[in-house]
Amino acid sequence: AQTVTQSQPEMSVQEAETVTLSCTYDTSESDYYLFWYKQPPSRQMILVIRQEAYKQQNATENRFSVNFQKAAKSFSLKISDSQLGDAAMYFCAYMGQGGSEKLVFGKGTKLTVNP
Amino acid sequence: NAGVTQTPKFQVLKTGQSMTLQCAQDMNHEYMSWYRQDPGMGLRLIHYSVGAGITDQGEVPNGYNVSRSTTEDFPLRLLSAAPSQTSVYFCASSYGFNSNQPQHFGDGTRLSIL
Repeated sequence: AQTVTQSQPEMSVQEAETVTLSCTYDTSESDYYLFWYKQPPSRQMILVIRQEAYKQQNATENRFSVNFQKAAKSFSLKISDSQLGDAAMYFCAYMGQGGSEKLVFGKGTKLTVNP
Repeated sequence: NAGVTQTPKFQVLKTGQSMTLQCAQDMNHEYMSWYRQDPGMGLRLIHYSVGAGITDQGEVPNGYNVSRSTTEDFPLRLLSAAPSQTSVYFCASSYGFNSNQPQHFGDGTRLSIL
């Protein structure tokens, strides 16, 4: 079974600075998707960024980018120019082949942004 | 466009009571799933469905029952509530693995079992 590990339960960053959240995963599949979800106190699950395993290029979405290292099974999220609104729980998630759309989540990292 | 609608948003039950959490989507998504979120555990898959009439178990299915009679609805039933089922429950839906479209999540149901 696939597993997703987020080794940082909590992180903090100063406003306008850069922070990197770590995620590693374990799988024997060659084709899969990886995601970062943001969950603010409102409890909504908001998709931040997604990465297809077959693509070597790292995904970027405005201030959010990933460092995808397939061989190392590592998928970190970098947030640049951090804003107060970035404060939230961040979950790394894996979706494998098979078409069932099942997501496997890490335990999350709580990000605090200090003014 | 309502997206994924979960009802109720909050519920308190007594041990042994039964209840159905409702989930409806208006996007004609084939795939629907239920997750539970416990403190420090992330989200874990309870049950999922790849289309009307087809359901399967996820990681933590015990104590829960599902059915999928229509594309739009995917209710989650607690047959005899236990305190261990106190959690936040999320329903999600999507078109499919190769659709290049993300999953849509509902706003969650906070359930407390006394």
